[in-house]
Amino acid sequence: GAGVSQSPSNKVTEKGKDVELRCDPISGHTALYWYRQSLGQGLEFLIYFQGNSAPDKSGLPSDRFSAERTGGSVSTLTIQRTQQEDSAVYLCASSLASFHEQYFGPGTRLTVT
Amino acid sequence: DAKTTQPTSMDCAEGRAANLPCNHSTISGNEYVYWYRQIHSQGPQYIIHGLKNNETNEMASLIITEDRKSSTLILPHATLRDTAVYYCLKGAGGTSYGKLTFGQGTILTVHP
Repeated sequence: GAGVSQSPSNKVTEKGKDVELRCDPISGHTALYWYRQSLGQGLEFLIYFQGNSAPDKSGLPSDRFSAERTGGSVSTLTIQRTQQEDSAVYLCASSLASFHEQYFGPGTRLTVT
Repeated sequence: DAKTTQPTSMDCAEGRAANLPCNHSTISGNEYVYWYRQIHSQGPQYIIHGLKNNETNEMASLIITEDRKSSTLILPHATLRDTAVYYCLKGAGGTSYGKLTFGQGTILTVHP
């Protein structure tokens, strides 16, 4: 079946602009995660959604970052007033339930100029 | 909550077994050991996980020491396509969700 998809695959934006990154999880997966990976670095957890529970936002680096998940499926990560340090690959993952293996999308490469 | 410890890099000859070690001395009783890998320019790929017992699937085997403080991922017959960064992680189980904390991983290079 279809895997996790993310769009856009690449995004170049100017410093100070807002961006929205989209994630379509695998159908039926109740858990959804956002991570980011800066150049040469490991993955950094950002936010987690599980069903209708309140999301765990403990990994969001600042209040410029927010995310929502509509209808328990598609998720959007929004970064307001982008900064150059926001440049990274943003990865989305989903899993069948809160404690199952995670399937990752191809990521969105964000470049802030 | 200390992360796991892995060697920075390892080499392996094609066709030979690749044995990737991981130290997770601070692992708690309800935490699983997970292995993922990331091939260049792709998202991470799940490989295997375990709690106490050794595990095997079509991709790899996972050997966990009796005290659970370390583990070894074994790729029995490495191929060039297995060249990737391999991440060993520990994630809470039971009623906790599976938030994963990724370290730097091991860069495995498989040579012809």
